[in-house]
This record gives sequence, C-alpha cells and structure tokens, in this order.
Amino acid sequence: KAGVTQTPRYLIKTRGQQVTLSCSPISGHRSVSWYQQTPGQGLQFLFEYFSETQRNKGNFPGRFSGRQFSNSRSEMNVSTLELGDSALYLCASSLYRGATEAFFGQGTRLTVV
Amino acid sequence: SQQGEEDPQALSIQEGENATMNCSYKTSINNLQWYRQNSGRGLVHLILIRSNEREKHSGRLRVTLDTSKKSSSLLITASRAADTASYFCATVLKNTGANSKLTFGKGITLSVRP
Repeated sequence: KAGVTQTPRYLIKTRGQQVTLSCSPISGHRSVSWYQQTPGQGLQFLFEYFSETQRNKGNFPGRFSGRQFSNSRSEMNVSTLELGDSALYLCASSLYRGATEAFFGQGTRLTVV
Repeated sequence: SQQGEEDPQALSIQEGENATMNCSYKTSINNLQWYRQNSGRGLVHLILIRSNEREKHSGRLRVTLDTSKKSSSLLITASRAADTASYFCATVLKNTGANSKLTFGKGITLSVRP
C-alpha cells in the first residue's frame, strides 16, 4: 500500500508569491490534515479536511487555505508569501476523523526568499 | 501554547542503553500518541495510549500514562543507532470528538552513539 505522497519535496519562492502544495493520502483514507513545522514554533496544526470539507482549522491567517478533492487528495495554498512562511509542511492522512493514528508524508520544504 | 511538553529536550546515550523520554500536558486528554521523526522528514506513528490505559508495549517501546500527573513516558529499550531521531508526544484533548486534532510538543532529540 502506497504511503502519503507530498509534492513537491522542495520549493523556493519569493516574498509576495503564492504557492500550492499537494498531498495524496493513503488509499481509503478520507481525513487529511496539514501541519507547519518550524524550529521556533514546532509542529502546528493548519487544518483538516474530510469528505471535501474543512472540518477543523488552526490559528493561521487567511493566507493559508486548502481544499480536498473527491478522491481525497488535498492541496494547500499560501498566498502573499512572507519570509516567516519558510517551513516544512507536513500532510497526514487518517482512516477516520478524530485524531486517531495519523500517517505522515515526507513533507514539502518551502523556503521563501 | 503547547499542550505537550517533552523532557529532556535532548538525550545522548550509548547503543544498548535504555532511553526514557517524558511528556507532560495541561488539559485532560482522550489519548496521547508518540511519533518519531528522522532528520526533518515525515513523522512515523509509534504508539497510541488512551486515557483509560496505563501502559502499552510495542516491540522495544513501552509507554506509560499517568492521568493524575498529566504525564506520559516513552521507554526505548536496548537502543540502536537507528533510533537516533526526534521524538514527539501528541495529545488529543478530551471531549473534542470528531473535531479533535493532534497537538504536538516541541520534541526530544535522541542521539544513540554506536
């Protein structure tokens, strides 16, 4: 069974640009969550999608958004990038909602210059 | 603020020794999970312990949970160089149901010297 796949693995963007990251969950998993990891703030929850609907949201500005498609694949978008958005963005999929065991992808390393 | 706080922040041991890592949290939980992360890559789920459980084992891993002290510990026995990684505890708050989310601590860096 294929694991969680995140693309791209690495990304360099300029301040003010926007970026879209992609996550393909494990087959059959319908819950997809996104996390931002930085050395200063650690792992922080961005949002969770289930059945194409955002079900839960962390404390991030509206520049961070996401969506989920009918095949459970998810994308997150960050608009008007800031230097502080440089981070490892991790996607996790779960069979059910409710924060049971989560399976993480390898992450997308975003660098904003 | 972080729900889970791991202790120590860094741990260095010799191969073959046991490693004990602790996690304290502030608010009542539904469950607590431990994850491992190698070199800034994805996290790997190690073990989940529910609030009504006191101890769980998985291979060389032993997790305990003391809800009265709001703390958990992860013991890795007979450590190997391959155990070198960052370890995170993540809590799921009680009574959040399907809207629950994982809240991670800052992590513990474990180095196992060959």
